[in-house]
Formats: sequence, C-alpha cells, structure tokens
Amino acid sequence: NAGVTQTPKFQVLKTGQSMTLQCAQDMNHEYMSWYRQDPGMGLRLIHYSVGAGITDQGEVPNGYNVSRSTTEDFPLRLLSAAPSQTSVYFCASSPKLLTRARNSPLHFGNGTRLTVT
Amino acid sequence: QQQVKQSPQSLIVQKGGISIINCAYENTAFDYFPWYQQFPGKGPALLIAIRPDVSEKKEGRFTISFNKSAKQFSLHIMDSQPGDSATYFCAAPQTGAGSYQLTFGKGTKLSVIP
Repeated sequence: NAGVTQTPKFQVLKTGQSMTLQCAQDMNHEYMSWYRQDPGMGLRLIHYSVGAGITDQGEVPNGYNVSRSTTEDFPLRLLSAAPSQTSVYFCASSPKLLTRARNSPLHFGNGTRLTVT
Repeated sequence: QQQVKQSPQSLIVQKGGISIINCAYENTAFDYFPWYQQFPGKGPALLIAIRPDVSEKKEGRFTISFNKSAKQFSLHIMDSQPGDSATYFCAAPQTGAGSYQLTFGKGTKLSVIP
C-alpha cells in the first residue's frame, strides 16, 4: 500500500523560480490538504480540497496555487519562489470530511524539503 | 484563527518516566482532540484521539486527559521508552469555509534517554 506519495523528497530553487510539488494518494480519499512545517511554527494549513474540482484556502495560502482534477492527485504550485517559502511541505488525505460525528484521521506523506536561495 | 497553545516546546525524560504534554485552546468547533506523532524524516501519524463524552481515553501507555472548563487537554506517556522519542502535535477542529479543519499546536520534541 503506497498511501500518500510526495515527490520530490528534496528540492532547491532560486528566488523567482516556479515549481510543482506532487501529491498522490491511492486510498480513494475524498479530502486532501497541504501543510507547511517550520521550526517552532508547527503545521500550518496552506490549501485543502474536499473533493475533485473543489479547493479552498487555509491559513497561509499566499504564493501557492492548487488544483484537484482527480480524486488521486493534489499538486501544489509555487508561482514565484521566495526564501520565506523554505520549509518542509506535507500532503495529507483522509477518507471523508471531518464532522461533528466523524473523526476522519489524516494520513500524511513523508514530505518535501524545499530550500529557496 | 483559532489558537492551540502547546507546551513544553521540548521535553527530556528518563526511560521509564512519565512524559506530559499540554495543550490549551481558545475555542473549538466541537470537542475532538487528536494527537499526532512524528518521527524524523517522516510525516505525522495519528497516535490517539478523544471525543470527550469522557474526560480521559487510554490506549496502552498513552492517555489523553481533557478538562473542558479549563479548555485544556494533555497527553501522558507512561513508562516512556527511547522509541517514543519523536515530535508530538495536538490539534483541535475549527470552522473552515463550509468544512472543518484541524488547527495544530506548534509541537513538542520529546527525547527519552536510556
């Protein structure tokens, strides 16, 4: 079982370059999301999707775009990389939406470590 | 944006000791408090969660305690082992745009020394 697969594992960009972080899940999960993890800041939500064709902003969306054309894939695009985007990025999915009656635990990938110089 | 305040930032415990990590929240969409465990180089993984129709939930050596009036919940790790050395995140649900999202604490790095 692959679970949540993120590629690449490591990436170095120069300021102003663009790139796409890939995320794929093979569990037919309805919900997918992107987080960034910075020292002392914990996990902060960037964007999320509640189903194919539906995306929304999280806490720190500026400088990032997402799309969800299929259930399996949820790529994160950096439009013009900045040093402030140096971080570890995690993609996560869950079978259903979190509700008052349903826990729906998050399944995380192993992350992409991005450095912007 | 809802705050979830987690303490301590780091914790060193002797093998066999008790590790205690605390979280406090301002408001929550509903009472559901999960804890995630993250090992170096890996993504976080759900460790244990509580929906407080009870004030405590125990799974093996891991226990969540919840105090609704104080808006606090905590993770206790009994008989801590070196294999428990990881970063722990608490979380609480907040209202997003038509859906609920988890807000995470800033994490606690636990080191269990032999």
